[in-house]
Amino acid sequence: AQRVTQPEKLLSVFKGAPVELKCNYSYSGSPELFWYVQYSRQRLQLLLRHISRESIKGFTADLNKGETSFHLKKPFAQEEDSAMYYCALKDSNYQLIWGAGTKLIIKP
Amino acid sequence: NAGVTQTPKFQVLKTGQSMTLQCAQDMNHEYMSWYRQDPGMGLRLIHYSVGAGITDQGEVPNGYNVSRSTTEDFPLRLLSAAPSQTSVYFCASSYSRSTSTGELFFGEGSRLTVL
Repeated sequence: AQRVTQPEKLLSVFKGAPVELKCNYSYSGSPELFWYVQYSRQRLQLLLRHISRESIKGFTADLNKGETSFHLKKPFAQEEDSAMYYCALKDSNYQLIWGAGTKLIIKP
Repeated sequence: NAGVTQTPKFQVLKTGQSMTLQCAQDMNHEYMSWYRQDPGMGLRLIHYSVGAGITDQGEVPNGYNVSRSTTEDFPLRLLSAAPSQTSVYFCASSYSRSTSTGELFFGEGSRLTVL
């Protein structure tokens, strides 16, 4: 079955500390994975996609097919990173399968 | 350029009532979709459309109808509201669902409560 799991509902770290938001997936084909973010009082928006191998706002995510993971990382957290983060997998019908989300809180 | 506009933002219904959630986009996107978001769960696809006149069911279509008479508009109709339909609803669009960019543009969401 196709599935996306974000094991942490809530992650709280101090400003300046490293951040890792976990995402694991179950998919039989070649996965396309994304991270979306929703800041307070803003719309859900794309943060990054694995196919672009980009770094956005200091965040990176590497696809690990062996571990079926797509964890989101940032070396030094900033207060403005506080938000809900969603991992999503594009399935064979081009639909997105979503994780339940992780609420990230950056403490000052 | 307003992006994706959803109305209303909040709505309270009684069981059995019907209503329509409106969604409009001004980006000339082919693909439009409706999701619902429930506590502790990821977004779940209700219905989607890949172009005017074409709609299809997603993961949780029961109790909802859609139509796509124009590229811009994709309304979601609740035929006979039930408490299980209490949720936050999101409309989203993209240029094309089959591209690898995968970027969906979301509306602000509509919070629906069914009593």
